[in-house]
Amino acid sequence: DAKTTQPPSMDCAEGRAANLPCNHSTISGNEYVYWYRQIHSQGPQYIIHGLKNNETNEMASLIITEDRKSSTLILPHATLRDTAVYYCIVRAESNFGNEKLTFGTGTRLTIIP
Amino acid sequence: KAGVTQTPRYLIKTRGQQVTLSCSPISGHRSVSWYQQTPGQGLQFLFEYFSETQRNKGNFPGRFSGRQFSNSRSEMNVSTLELGDSALYLCASSPLGYSYNSPLHFGNGTRLTVT
Repeated sequence: DAKTTQPPSMDCAEGRAANLPCNHSTISGNEYVYWYRQIHSQGPQYIIHGLKNNETNEMASLIITEDRKSSTLILPHATLRDTAVYYCIVRAESNFGNEKLTFGTGTRLTIIP
Repeated sequence: KAGVTQTPRYLIKTRGQQVTLSCSPISGHRSVSWYQQTPGQGLQFLFEYFSETQRNKGNFPGRFSGRQFSNSRSEMNVSTLELGDSALYLCASSPLGYSYNSPLHFGNGTRLTVT
């Protein structure tokens, strides 16, 4: 299954847009890109997911490049509560039956007041 | 809508004991899956239940077992606890079964410490 690569850490000023990149250069056609975030001592929180089209919900926007090899999660107006570790993962049909759901190390996003 | 609820939040056990963890999914969700999260191994899949049937199982020893009830609530049991079982155990529910276009919604987990 496709692996993802994310920068280990990022800072963003409060009120600005936070743009978190993810590379998934080996993604295949039936793999969805998912974003979760995890605040210390809590479970991962679902943010957004997509296959090939850009997606938007009340939390964030997901921009997937045309070749699907990378994506960007956008938090439009970051607040201090958005400080967390953000994980980009891919989920593949080929793993059905024994899904690993490997979150990797993610990006530690710190919102600066 | 209430989220996924896991109890207890924290648990301390000694080696050799057994433990049962509980998970109540989001109302209407029929798929419940369990994961173990440790700093070294990240998040690892344990098993998934749908309509009281175990559909998928990860690479964990038989000491790890689970079940799902008719109201979709699920329990996970670990017997003969080992020090290496210390971890955050997460439960996730999904509305449409274990589909890759269906997001998993996680609880806040049970932090198990084995001494």
